[in-house]
Amino acid sequence: GESVGLHLPTLSVQEGDNSIINCAYSNSASDYFIWYKQESGKGPQFIIDIRSNMDKRQGQRVTVLLNKTVKHLSLQIAATQPGDSAVYFCAERGSGNQFYFGTGTSLTVIP
Amino acid sequence: DTGVSQDPRHKITKRGQNVTFRCDPISEHNRLYWYRQTLGQGPEFLTYFQNEAQLEKSRLLSDRFSAERPKGSFSTLEIQRTEQGDSAMYLCASSAGSRDTGELFFGEGSRLTVL
Repeated sequence: GESVGLHLPTLSVQEGDNSIINCAYSNSASDYFIWYKQESGKGPQFIIDIRSNMDKRQGQRVTVLLNKTVKHLSLQIAATQPGDSAVYFCAERGSGNQFYFGTGTSLTVIP
Repeated sequence: DTGVSQDPRHKITKRGQNVTFRCDPISEHNRLYWYRQTLGQGPEFLTYFQNEAQLEKSRLLSDRFSAERPKGSFSTLEIQRTEQGDSAMYLCASSAGSRDTGELFFGEGSRLTVL
């Protein structure tokens, strides 16, 4: 099966600082990637996506970078807020239409 | 609320019993997914439907698990003869099925506890 992994299981940042969450994937044929945010007791919530023909995509306070050479994905959150505290997952779309998720990084924002 | 809804939100059962979860996707979405998530892990793919057809099944889905989407709208996931290892959050997601995007919209999940 696919293998999607995250480099750091936990990340603590000061409120107002920028956060960077990293993700490695193994399937070079994956064509679409999504970052999800999951708060305790809730389902994953879409943050931002990127197709494999792009290397950068920006949203509101979030940026996703894709490096296909090293099969690496990152999520940058600008001016991190307490409400950003959650677990973040990257997901890649496999050769079918299923998505494979990484283990997740727990982000804690320190007020 | 027009998001993905799941029922029940919580289910406690004894080992050996059967349980069934229901998922109502976003109405115009033709793809529906089931995932399982255990504490501290990312969601694991179980199966997905395009309309009423079950197109992919994970090897995680043992023969005790069965999923249906009879009319291409809501879906059910049944677990027969539950085991303690089945305790997890069962997540349903739907998507519009575009190859350009295909963003999954998740429900809040059904948490199963097997005693």
